[in-house]
Amino acid sequence: AQSVSQHNHHVILSEAASLELGCNYSYGGTVNLFWYVQYPGQHLQLLLKYFSGDPLVKGIKGFEAEFIKSKFSFNLRKPSVQWSDTAEYFCAVNAPSNDYKLSFGAGTTVTVRA
Amino acid sequence: DAGVIQSPRHEVTEMGQEVTLRCKPISGHDYLFWYRQTMMRGLELLIYFNNNVPIDDSGMPEDRFSAKMPNASFSTLKIQPSEPRDSAVYFCASSRTGTHGEQYFGPGTRLTVT
Repeated sequence: AQSVSQHNHHVILSEAASLELGCNYSYGGTVNLFWYVQYPGQHLQLLLKYFSGDPLVKGIKGFEAEFIKSKFSFNLRKPSVQWSDTAEYFCAVNAPSNDYKLSFGAGTTVTVRA
Repeated sequence: DAGVIQSPRHEVTEMGQEVTLRCKPISGHDYLFWYRQTMMRGLELLIYFNNNVPIDDSGMPEDRFSAKMPNASFSTLKIQPSEPRDSAVYFCASSRTGTHGEQYFGPGTRLTVT
């Protein structure tokens, strides 16, 4: 089964700073990759996804992520964060060979200071 | 289109009582997942169904937990008897075959067992 590692547990930023959250997975076969966001007290919402094609994917709210196959990585970026980006961010991966079950990372809490 | 619907949103119960959580997946989705989220363990997959059939329940903590999906539009997760360590947020998610396992999450049920 696949596993997911998120590098940072808690990131604190000021508004307008750039954000990059690391995500690595361990699985040798074909994978699909996702980033979900969970705002305080809310459910998980899909930010962006990668299935195939252009390894640089753009999602909602100005987020993007780059899939680097050789590094088994799928890092999330945003050039300029806002206070409203304060949330917990989860990287997730699934594989067709594992019936598309999602494996989640432990999550990174992002706090943006106004 | 309505998203995944869960009820109740909040449940407070006493230790030893039976708790039933409910989920209505997105119409047309043939996969349904139950997750538990806690600070200590993060997001855990408890069980998932495909076409109303339980496929993998290896994440169910113990025999006190059971889940059913009597039809394509309804699932329950039951805890009997409940214990304080069951306190968590329980999420239901659904997905559709052919979408690379992209899951949509419900708002969750926050369970507190006193």
